[in-house]
Amino acid sequence: EIVMTQSPATLSVSPGEVATFSCRASQTVSSNLAWYQQKPGQAPRLLIFGASTRATGIPARFSGSGSGTEFTLTISSLQSEDFAVYYCQQYNNWPRTFGQGTKVEIK
Amino acid sequence: QVQLVQSGAEVKKPGASVKVSCKASGYTFTGYYMHWVRQAPGQGLEWMGRINPNSGGTNYAQKFQGRVTMTRDTSISTAYMELSRLRSDDTAVYYCARAPQVVAATDYWGQGTLVTVSS
Repeated sequence: EIVMTQSPATLSVSPGEVATFSCRASQTVSSNLAWYQQKPGQAPRLLIFGASTRATGIPARFSGSGSGTEFTLTISSLQSEDFAVYYCQQYNNWPRTFGQGTKVEIK
Repeated sequence: QVQLVQSGAEVKKPGASVKVSCKASGYTFTGYYMHWVRQAPGQGLEWMGRINPNSGGTNYAQKFQGRVTMTRDTSISTAYMELSRLRSDDTAVYYCARAPQVVAATDYWGQGTLVTVSS
């Protein structure tokens, strides 16, 4: 199965700053990569699919890039509601696999 | 609007089975695949499998083969995930989530169902 590795595990950022974090696949997943946001006690929410396409209703400050095995999620100006855990997921191969998550916390 | 409403929390003993339901509304149930994902307390997300509600065809993660069964009832737009021979490490929140195509991200998720396995 494809192993998804996210880094860093935790990112401390001040509101208004830029947050960038990475996701690496153990083999190519083409552009079949999604990013999800999860807040405590809530279900994950789809942010990005196709590596770079924002899902419906997702603010423009969220952007995704990459293809193949290296992917990045950038939040251009962190808002208070953006502090959460972010997961990447590949949906190119079975089984679908998630990264272990990056927690974005207030600095 | 699209909604996936899951059944309530369950407490089961080791060795028992649990069946979680996921009722869909606001879209054509047979037009979207339904995936199941679980999350153990304080842990990350783990994909379990998916069902094609139109055909009933399934794909399961190897880890759950032989223990998980995903089914659907199209007459009531509901998907089910049954996990048997429960162990304590099956304690988790179980989510259903729909995807528009075979190769697609899951765009709407249920609220989650906590399954606790304890003697």
